[in-house]
Amino acid sequence: SQQGEEDPQALSIQEGENATMNCSYKTSINNLQWYRQNSGRGLVHLILIRSNEREKHSGRLRVTLDTSKKSSSLLITASRAADTASYFCATAPTGGFKTIFGAGTRLFVKA
Amino acid sequence: DTEVTQTPKHLVMGMTNKKSLKCEQHMGHRAMYWYKQKAKKPPELMFVYSYEKLSINESVPSRFSPECPNSSLLNLHLHALQPEDSALYLCASSQEKLRQGAGTGELFFGEGSRLTVL
Repeated sequence: SQQGEEDPQALSIQEGENATMNCSYKTSINNLQWYRQNSGRGLVHLILIRSNEREKHSGRLRVTLDTSKKSSSLLITASRAADTASYFCATAPTGGFKTIFGAGTRLFVKA
Repeated sequence: DTEVTQTPKHLVMGMTNKKSLKCEQHMGHRAMYWYKQKAKKPPELMFVYSYEKLSINESVPSRFSPECPNSSLLNLHLHALQPEDSALYLCASSQEKLRQGAGTGELFFGEGSRLTVL
């Protein structure tokens, strides 16, 4: 069964604006990861947040994790046209071996 | 540039053909994965190898046959596929040994092999 659900499914913003994507999951997890995928390409790992962490930063990225609500958010600040891509959250359920991907958010940044 | 190399980038095959997808990594990772991705959908896990042994088979039809000849290589053998098997096939690797309760860490993906079954 699909572990992560993402919201919104698609997001269109102007360059320079911030983009926020949300992810919800169903079971307890070891960690949650965010990946980016340009059209037709492989996925690129962006950031990993462990279940005992609440917030993590990497450059223009900020990720939060609320394990009580089983949700995470990815904030991209000062977006650029090059940020146009699909973004997936991925969870590693506790007691499991698998990384399962959410449905993804398609982000379009207009120059 | 990705450190996981997949070949071929594109493959067109008939339903009676036998072909193989190949994946190679030289990062010393001991876990390797095959994912299948349909258009506008997330990647779906197919197989996981840990230390060259098949650890997970997500109930994938037998017309897909994985093989891990050594710690750097991962193959996916294809036979008697159906048109609905057309998709992007992604290979990935990770550093962590799979162990109960640990989940997986960062996955490194190749660029994928775009498969079309006629």
